[in-house]
Amino acid sequence: DGGITQSPKYLFRKEGQNVTLSCEQNLNHDAMYWYRQDPGQGLRLIYYSQIVNDFQKGDIAEGYSVSREKKESFPLTVTSAQKNPTAFYLCASSTGKAGNTIYFGEGSWLTVV
Amino acid sequence: AQSVTQLDSQVPVFEEAPVELRCNYSSSVSVYLFWYVQYPNQGLQLLLKYLSGSTLVESINGFEAEFNKSQTSFHLRKPSVHISDTAEYFCAVSSISNFGNEKLTFGTGTRLTIIP
Repeated sequence: DGGITQSPKYLFRKEGQNVTLSCEQNLNHDAMYWYRQDPGQGLRLIYYSQIVNDFQKGDIAEGYSVSREKKESFPLTVTSAQKNPTAFYLCASSTGKAGNTIYFGEGSWLTVV
Repeated sequence: AQSVTQLDSQVPVFEEAPVELRCNYSSSVSVYLFWYVQYPNQGLQLLLKYLSGSTLVESINGFEAEFNKSQTSFHLRKPSVHISDTAEYFCAVSSISNFGNEKLTFGTGTRLTIIP
């Protein structure tokens, strides 16, 4: 089935460690996105990529990094510089045209212990 | 710049009663409008969207929303809710001048709880 796969679903990290969240899509979409969701704050855009080998910062990029080496993959690294990383992270993709539907993965819970 | 305001963070409703989830937006240009639904511990799914044409849009599971340009609103309604409608609902806006969805701005969400 076509869709977006995020892994792992749950992840625990010690303070000071980097962690990478995986996102793979088989929808043949050009654009991919990472959002962070916190209770009561809705979704905030971390990074987005409209094409392979290119990506742009969103509204809250500090402490995060991404790569887009393949069309299907858009991994997110949460670095030790991110001061409050505990959150629900959502990966999404679309054709990249304004107005088209954005499709979301099931999300990844990151907890810093 | 664009923004979205969802006035109610939580809405409890009895089963089979009607519901309205409110959404207001601001933008200096024309917009596309979306409602997404999130079931517990899952990603978001598109419920319906307004791009152009008829201001009343419907989803396959009985929800509808009306684009009101003068009031800058896109309220979501359902005449009779079911237990399965329990979820969080997000309104989102994208300016038509944007190339892609990178400027899709989400509201803070409304948690709809259906009471049996």
